[in-house]
Amino acid sequence: DSGVTQTPKHLITATGQRVTLRCSPRSGDLSVYWYQQSLDQGLQFLIQYYNGEERAKGNILERFSAQQFPDLHSELNLSSLELGDSALYFCASSPYPAGGGGNEQFFGPGTRLTVL
Amino acid sequence: KNQVEQSPQSLIILEGKNCTLQCNYTVSPFSNLRWYKQDTGRGPVSLTIMTFSENTKSNGRYTATLDADTKQSSLHITASQLSDSASYICVVSSYSSASKIIFGSGTRLSIRP
Repeated sequence: DSGVTQTPKHLITATGQRVTLRCSPRSGDLSVYWYQQSLDQGLQFLIQYYNGEERAKGNILERFSAQQFPDLHSELNLSSLELGDSALYFCASSPYPAGGGGNEQFFGPGTRLTVL
Repeated sequence: KNQVEQSPQSLIILEGKNCTLQCNYTVSPFSNLRWYKQDTGRGPVSLTIMTFSENTKSNGRYTATLDADTKQSSLHITASQLSDSASYICVVSSYSSASKIIFGSGTRLSIRP
């Protein structure tokens, strides 16, 4: 158990809908990262927040947005969902903004999103 | 372009046998290289991390090597067990930005009894 929690575990929705995925980092970790992993594909970095502020952006679609709240939990919002958005969405946390501590990230169990 | 390439894509070996997974990268400037193990449907878990000056690092039956000159790393698994069945992901970092943390697509390892 990494100490990172994600809810829900599974989510099934229809095209065009909007969903919110939630992540609680390990106690004391200030950085939260979001990743997308499509079937049989590698992890794709979406976005990182550090202590409430956006720190780095990867290949995140304009239909997707995220935020980190004062209590450090984070939410990933996915809107106008398409079939291709079906994937595992992982959240990871780290104590560091990036670059420090060898960049070890502690991953949550993931949310499996299915868009029908 | 910063890239991390892993080979083979998939590998099947018998329980008790050894195997070696490869990782080649073009990430520059290099900060560190980490190997993760990802069980199916679960989040990755870190196995080892190596910086520029480290050639080898072990974690139980897992031994990682790094050749910073040729930009190659390997992960050697000794006396494989059924629980080693997973995807192994090579991740290379290039200093301070999360966008410079590059994930390889992984090697899917299956251990057969």
